[in-house]
Amino acid sequence: GAVVSQHPSWVICKSGTSVKIECRSLDFQATTMFWYRQFPKQSLMLMATSNEGSKATYEQGVEKDKFLINHASLTLSTLTVTSAHPEDSSFYICSARWGNEKLFFGSGTQLSVL
Amino acid sequence: AQSVTQPDIHITVSEGASLELRCNYSYGATPYLFWYVQSPGQGLQLLLKYFSGDTLVQGIKGFEAEFKRSQSSFNLRKPSVHWSDAAEYFCAVYGQNFVFGPGTRLSVLP
Repeated sequence: GAVVSQHPSWVICKSGTSVKIECRSLDFQATTMFWYRQFPKQSLMLMATSNEGSKATYEQGVEKDKFLINHASLTLSTLTVTSAHPEDSSFYICSARWGNEKLFFGSGTQLSVL
Repeated sequence: AQSVTQPDIHITVSEGASLELRCNYSYGATPYLFWYVQSPGQGLQLLLKYFSGDTLVQGIKGFEAEFKRSQSSFNLRKPSVHWSDAAEYFCAVYGQNFVFGPGTRLSVLP
């Protein structure tokens, strides 16, 4: 079956640094990728929808300059948390859409900002 | 390692009929359990979640799910399906990390 690889699975960084998270579709071309964030004991919150070759569409309340999303190819989308602060510590997960229907999920990235 | 299975890839029910979507998980302890729905062209929407306490959980849109530890299951139910329920449903487990099941596509016949 289709696989979405998300890397890294765990990252610890100092406050003020930037962190890049990669989401790759390994055996299919994903025209659309989604980025979510989860706070402890909360549901997933959609942050942005990323279409290959175009700018990401951010959900209301998500800072575009803080969470940079790049979808440069049909198999790769990246989320960069710029100038990370402790409040950015969270679990981030991507998903990739195959065709118009099927959705596959990455395994997530736990970000801890010291 | 934790895993989630949803045995039914596609289910078709008639409008007004009852629904049960199956979810089984594998994890060494009791995980957090979720059911999400994705309608065409939409993002994921949380239907309900289980963290602890009462094993029968009520969610939005008339859905409920029951956690059965002995069966490692968290099946989603609805007594009467509406045409607008046609969507893809994902069971998810959060233990060491977040793992989604493969999804079950629900079609509703008029």
